[in-house]
Amino acid sequence: KAGVTQTPRYLIKTRGQQVTLSCSPISGHRSVSWYQQTPGQGLQFLFEYFSETQRNKGNFPGRFSGRQFSNSRSEMNVSTLELGDSALYLCASSFINPWETQYFGPGTRLLVL
Amino acid sequence: SQQGEEDPQALSIQEGENATMNCSYKTSINNLQWYRQNSGRGLVHLILIRSNEREKHSGRLRVTLDTSKKSSSLLITASRAADTASYFCATVASGAGSYQLTFGKGTKLSVIP
Repeated sequence: KAGVTQTPRYLIKTRGQQVTLSCSPISGHRSVSWYQQTPGQGLQFLFEYFSETQRNKGNFPGRFSGRQFSNSRSEMNVSTLELGDSALYLCASSFINPWETQYFGPGTRLLVL
Repeated sequence: SQQGEEDPQALSIQEGENATMNCSYKTSINNLQWYRQNSGRGLVHLILIRSNEREKHSGRLRVTLDTSKKSSSLLITASRAADTASYFCATVASGAGSYQLTFGKGTKLSVIP
């Protein structure tokens, strides 16, 4: 089975721009979660989608949004980028429940200048 | 604030030695998971231990859970250079129809050949 894939792998943007990241889960997995990882804050949960619905949300501003498509692929969008949004964005998929085993993608490294 | 806190933050050992990492948490949990991350890449799930379990093994890994002390430990026996990575514990707590999955900041393990 192919693993979780994320595109793009690296991205450089400037302040004020917006960005869309994509995640394709493992085939058959319906839950997709997104995380932000920074050296200072560590791994922080952004949101989780299941069957095209946001099921859970972390404590991030509304500039961070996401969606899930009928094939379980997910995108996250960050609008009006700030320097502090520079991070590794990780996507993880699980069969149904994210509190069981999650399978992580390699991440998208975003640099905001 | 982080639910899971790993200790130590960094650990350096010789190949062949055992490595022990600890995780403490604050609230009641449903399960606790350990993940490994190699240098800025995606996380790999290692082991999941449920709140009613006290010990689990997987290959060279041994995880214990003490819910009375709200702590868990990960033991890697006969370490190898390939074990060099950051190790994270993640706690899962549920309530009020929702769940919270929280990662600690990790222990950086260096195994010297």
